[in-house]
Amino acid sequence: DAGITQSPRHKVTETGTPVTLRCHQTENHRYMYWYRQDPGHGLRLIHYSYGVKDTDKGEVSDGYSVSRSKTEDFLLTLESATSSQTSVYFCAISESGATGANVLTFGAGSRLTVL
Amino acid sequence: GQNIDQPTEMTATEGAIVQINCTYQTSGFNGLFWYQQHAGEAPTFLSYNVLDGLEEKGRFSSFLSRSKGYSYLLLKELQMKDSASYLCAFMDSNYQLIWGAGTKLIIKP
Repeated sequence: DAGITQSPRHKVTETGTPVTLRCHQTENHRYMYWYRQDPGHGLRLIHYSYGVKDTDKGEVSDGYSVSRSKTEDFLLTLESATSSQTSVYFCAISESGATGANVLTFGAGSRLTVL
Repeated sequence: GQNIDQPTEMTATEGAIVQINCTYQTSGFNGLFWYQQHAGEAPTFLSYNVLDGLEEKGRFSSFLSRSKGYSYLLLKELQMKDSASYLCAFMDSNYQLIWGAGTKLIIKP
């Protein structure tokens, strides 16, 4: 299996607090993604990275920021968590990025509950 | 605009065959993907189609018709472990993936 780990796997926090989710890969893949998954919705892209310090917004980026200071780590930060950000967050990696056969490998997910 | 649609839930019997359909609308297309996701787990890649036709991979096959904006995933000789959600996604002209909400497949003995 691809080496991709997410931490924490579960977190409960209160509205207004900052939260950081970490994604770590050992595959040296160039592309990394953060998605959220909610009932009744498809996976929705929050932010992605195409290299160290190179990131871009996805379709649901409001309220989220990311950083990638090393190839292996991609951090997702909620500066001030809201209840609408309660979700399961998946990190994914890929080799090919902006090409057709862009197969994603996903981490196990981080379940975040904002009270 | 872009959209993608697949049934919310399907039920099938162990040992049988099931077809999960996916329809999409987009002005630019760079391929269609199917992923499997067991409850509480990560999605895992099943298949990729970019040309029309059927791609077979063991018990699983995936079909694409670009002119109709239609794909299906065919699962044969169903096993209890096939109980999962199946996610359809297409890649648009900007190489962004647009995901369906998933089809939950329930296998009964």
